[in-house]
Amino acid sequence: DAKTTQPPSMDCAEGRAANLPCNHSTISGNEYVYWYRQIHSQGPQYIIHGLKNNETNEMASLIITEDRKSSTLILPHATLRDTAVYYCIVSAQGGSEKLVFGKGTKLTVNP
Amino acid sequence: GAVVSQHPSWVICKSGTSVKIECRSLDFQATTMFWYRQFPKQSLMLMATSNEGSKATYEQGVEKDKFLINHASLTLSTLTVTSAHPEDSSFYICSARRSESVETQYFGPGTRLLVL
Repeated sequence: DAKTTQPPSMDCAEGRAANLPCNHSTISGNEYVYWYRQIHSQGPQYIIHGLKNNETNEMASLIITEDRKSSTLILPHATLRDTAVYYCIVSAQGGSEKLVFGKGTKLTVNP
Repeated sequence: GAVVSQHPSWVICKSGTSVKIECRSLDFQATTMFWYRQFPKQSLMLMATSNEGSKATYEQGVEKDKFLINHASLTLSTLTVTSAHPEDSSFYICSARRSESVETQYFGPGTRLLVL
């Protein structure tokens, strides 16, 4: 079973920031938080991952709470092409290599 | 970036035939590849983990004799659906992990299988 909880759906206006929350209250000390997204009928696309510190790359920012029990993926300026299902996954690096996908959040970016 | 390809992108076959799906890492070596299946309106489900040069590890409930996996090189893994039936119709997706890094997996575009 997935170890994360995400809202089933969210809406965002084009050009605004999209903030996608994820709860992972049972995360272990060696587990990373990964975010992937899946645009309709395509394979998942890696977005970002982190352990403790906040991370940023060209796609998004990842904010992890100090107790690591939750995180937020931020798309700073959402576009219509960001409409997808976003998956938050916790997985140990080098240990268990499995990615267990939950149901994710369906983000719809509206014009 | 890390590119993973799959071939074919879609396939239609008759019930009882076998179908082979290829997964290739194009610009990196992958000691480990993963095979997932996704039914309509559902999430991805891991079927098996494929390690180069060794037998695949199947998830509980996945028939290893029906879904044959071969990972003969560091850039190629194949999934063969033997004696396919309509209930095997699904979206099959592979992913690959760089040999020099365990950080993340990169996914292929998927193969849509329709068994008539």
